[in-house]
Amino acid sequence: QVQLQESGPGLVKPSETLSLTCAVSGHSIRSDYYWGWIRQSPGKGLEWIGSVYHSGSTYYNPSLKSRVTISVHTSRNQFSLKLTSVSAADTAVYYCARHFGWGQGTYYVDYWGQGTLVTVSS
Amino acid sequence: QSVLTQPPSVSGAPGQRVTISCTGSSSNFGTGYDVHWFQHLPGTAPKLLIYGNSNRPSGVPDRFSGSKSGTSASLAITGLQAEDEADYYCQSYDTSLSGYVFGTGTKVTVL
Repeated sequence: QVQLQESGPGLVKPSETLSLTCAVSGHSIRSDYYWGWIRQSPGKGLEWIGSVYHSGSTYYNPSLKSRVTISVHTSRNQFSLKLTSVSAADTAVYYCARHFGWGQGTYYVDYWGQGTLVTVSS
Repeated sequence: QSVLTQPPSVSGAPGQRVTISCTGSSSNFGTGYDVHWFQHLPGTAPKLLIYGNSNRPSGVPDRFSGSKSGTSASLAITGLQAEDEADYYCQSYDTSLSGYVFGTGTKVTVL
């Protein structure tokens, strides 16, 4: 059974960098899936942030691309998210997920983490 | 940034049938991208219910069914049970975003 677990600070100051890690268990991150980050805030609903393949190829939401970096750490079976210059608008529950995507003929999320609340406040 | 539109809430008595609509556009459903559905109980990991418009992953009861036509899709729950009370979301791929899009979410209440 695939399990994903987000971890990281629950409070980040405005203008600083939000950093989260997703630990994957029960499945190799080197397999033929994509690994992504999705967030949910009251004002904007669910929003795809971006995704990474084990090769290191990345895909980002154009609205966040200038501030986002997603990396894969195959030796630790983890992947991570960095979002720079955060503001209150970035306050949300952040989910990591496994999904199908580019080049695979379908685009859906099949496993999610439980999510972690990140609040941006001074 | 929800691109897919769902009703905020639906309700039904135990045993009844409820349907949840999901309206997309020419840049997602209209281009031929599939709809997928997941169930979310707050505080837990969302669970995939339907993929590829109408397919159920192993372990999902056949009370859940999905369909898509043109730029609209729907999820039906028959024989509604108390444990079905949750939030439901549709999901697809959008060419204008070159990424994943989600529905606004529907809260199902079992009366």
